[in-house]
Amino acid sequence: AQSVTQPDIHITVSEGASLELRCNYSYGATPYLFWYVQSPGQGLQLLLKYFSGDTLVQGIKGFEAEFKRSQSSFNLRKPSVHWSDAAEYFCAVGARQAGTALIFGKGTTLSVSS
Amino acid sequence: DVKVTQSSRYLVKRTGEKVFLECVQDMDHENMFWYRQDPGLGLRLIYFSYDVKMKEKGDIPEGYSVSREKKERFSLILESASTNQTSMYLCASSPSWGAGVSYGAYNEQFFGPGTRLTVL
Repeated sequence: AQSVTQPDIHITVSEGASLELRCNYSYGATPYLFWYVQSPGQGLQLLLKYFSGDTLVQGIKGFEAEFKRSQSSFNLRKPSVHWSDAAEYFCAVGARQAGTALIFGKGTTLSVSS
Repeated sequence: DVKVTQSSRYLVKRTGEKVFLECVQDMDHENMFWYRQDPGLGLRLIYFSYDVKMKEKGDIPEGYSVSREKKERFSLILESASTNQTSMYLCASSPSWGAGVSYGAYNEQFFGPGTRLTVL
């Protein structure tokens, strides 16, 4: 069965600084990978996804993520963080097998300091 | 735009009550999901459905049941609410890449705004 780990529970970044949120997955084959963002009191919004092909994926709001098979990672990055990026971020992994659903990490809360 | 709506944003119920949480999606998606979200635990899958009248247990189905009589609607039922079911409940839907469960339910999911349920 697949699993996903987000090692950082809470990260604080200064506005304008770069950001990297870590995501590690466990799955025997190439998984489907997703990053979602959740603003306070809201549902989850998809930032980006990886299914196959180019390992560097561009998403909305200036985010990107890189799939590294050798490290079983799919880290989310942004070159310059804005105060509005403060939110909770979830990595999710999907297995290429019937009857399964996405597995979500426990989330990383991002705070942005001025 | 895909739209997933949930019947209530906030709900307060008493212990022992039967509680219905409704979710409706307007994009003709085959798959629908119910999660609960608790601080430090992330999203945990309660049930999902890949077709009308079909359902699969997720990681924490105990104390819950579901109903999917129409493709666009997926209901979560708490038969006898308890205080440990106080939580945020999120509904999601996703398209399949083909017909039936053989294509899985692992596509991009679209989420509703959530229902914050408090059981007193």
